[in-house]
Amino acid sequence: GDSVTQMEGPVTLSEEAFLTINCTYTATGYPSLFWYVQYPGEGLQLLLKATKADDKGSNKGFEATYRKETTSFHLEKGSVQVSDSAVYFCALSAFGIKAAGNKLTFGGGTRVLVKP
Amino acid sequence: DSGVTQTPKHLITATGQRVTLRCSPRSGDLSVYWYQQSLDQGLQFLIQYYNGEERAKGNILERFSAQQFPDLHSELNLSSLELGDSALYFCASSVESGNYEQYFGPGTRLTVT
Repeated sequence: GDSVTQMEGPVTLSEEAFLTINCTYTATGYPSLFWYVQYPGEGLQLLLKATKADDKGSNKGFEATYRKETTSFHLEKGSVQVSDSAVYFCALSAFGIKAAGNKLTFGGGTRVLVKP
Repeated sequence: DSGVTQTPKHLITATGQRVTLRCSPRSGDLSVYWYQQSLDQGLQFLIQYYNGEERAKGNILERFSAQQFPDLHSELNLSSLELGDSALYFCASSVESGNYEQYFGPGTRLTVT
């Protein structure tokens, strides 16, 4: 079945440091890939997405490129802020296989803590 | 604010009881999804409804059931509750059932004592 693997946290960084969170996936068909962010005490917010190979999703300084050859979708940000402290989830949607509906399959989440 | 609302925000109940969680999707969205977030299982898809009909089923226990009403709101019913059912339950909605973004509600935190 479909699966998403992302690096375990917590990841602790200083402000203005470079952030990378690795994400790899296994899926049948042609999945869309997503990064969601969960701030403390809140629901999930869509951060960015990519729907086909070589697409780059970007939002709020975060970027991720859909790499079909390495089945990866790593999240990067060049200079993090304290406000980026959150849990980040990589997810895929294997739409195209009727029985799958449009469910999201999530990775385990990576907690990021940015210190001033 | 995603536009998806969930009630109640918190729920504390005893083992063996039954509870109902409610979700109102974003205006215009036809598809509703339920997810469970627990410490040991992570975020797991439970079930999807599209315009009142069940579209896909995930790791949903037989003790759990859901439905989507004509006004498109959805309810998740959890019965014969066990300690292990304690979790955050999220509802999400999307415009259609296809390859569309899902918008998540704030969740209902269920504690079973």
